Amino acid sequence: DTVLTQSPALAVSPGERVTISCRASESVSTLMHWYQQKPGQQPTLLIYLASNLESGVPARFSGSGSGTDFTLTIDPVEADDTATYYCQQSWNDYTFGAGTKLELK
Amino acid sequence: QIQLVQSGPELKKPGESVKISCKASGYTFTNYGMYWVKQAPGQGLQYMGWINTETGKPTYADDFKGRFVFFLETSASTAYLQINNLKNEDMATYFCARAGYYRGYVMDAWGQGASVTVSS
Repeated sequence: DTVLTQSPALAVSPGERVTISCRASESVSTLMHWYQQKPGQQPTLLIYLASNLESGVPARFSGSGSGTDFTLTIDPVEADDTATYYCQQSWNDYTFGAGTKLELK
Repeated sequence: QIQLVQSGPELKKPGESVKISCKASGYTFTNYGMYWVKQAPGQGLQYMGWINTETGKPTYADDFKGRFVFFLETSASTAYLQINNLKNEDMATYFCARAGYYRGYVMDAWGQGASVTVSS
């Protein structure tokens, strides 16, 4: 299985820029996607194929990377962005990262 | 608009079976596959498998072979997850998600989730 490693938690202040990383145990080309999940809600798609912004998602969100290293950037962060962010690959079957919990100071 | 509406919460005893539904609307059901994803309490997301809505063929992730069954009622644009012989570790919220074939097989729309509680 392709293992995706994310840092477990981050705390930032509103208005700052935050980067959330995801490292794959093997290359997944650009078949990497990012989801946001707020407490008690279903996940929603933010970024697909590493860098494509899903329709309706604010342009504050962006994605980059290929191969094994990927980044989700939020700039600027807003209070409503408090959530857990998951990366997910679809190159070799399907796996999720463990999630990065973003808290605002 | 695209919607996936799942059935309500379930309370079951160990050894029983549960059936969760996922009704799709706003798109042609057979043009997109359906994924199933498990989220145990306080935990992350776990891919369970998917079903090809055109052929009805299910594919299960290794951890979900045996007691888990995906099936369809195509005339009702509905996908189902059935879990047989429930165990305590099956207690979780189960999500269906549409397979975005043309966008790298991304999970591009999600149901609201269906919680399953297993308790004797």
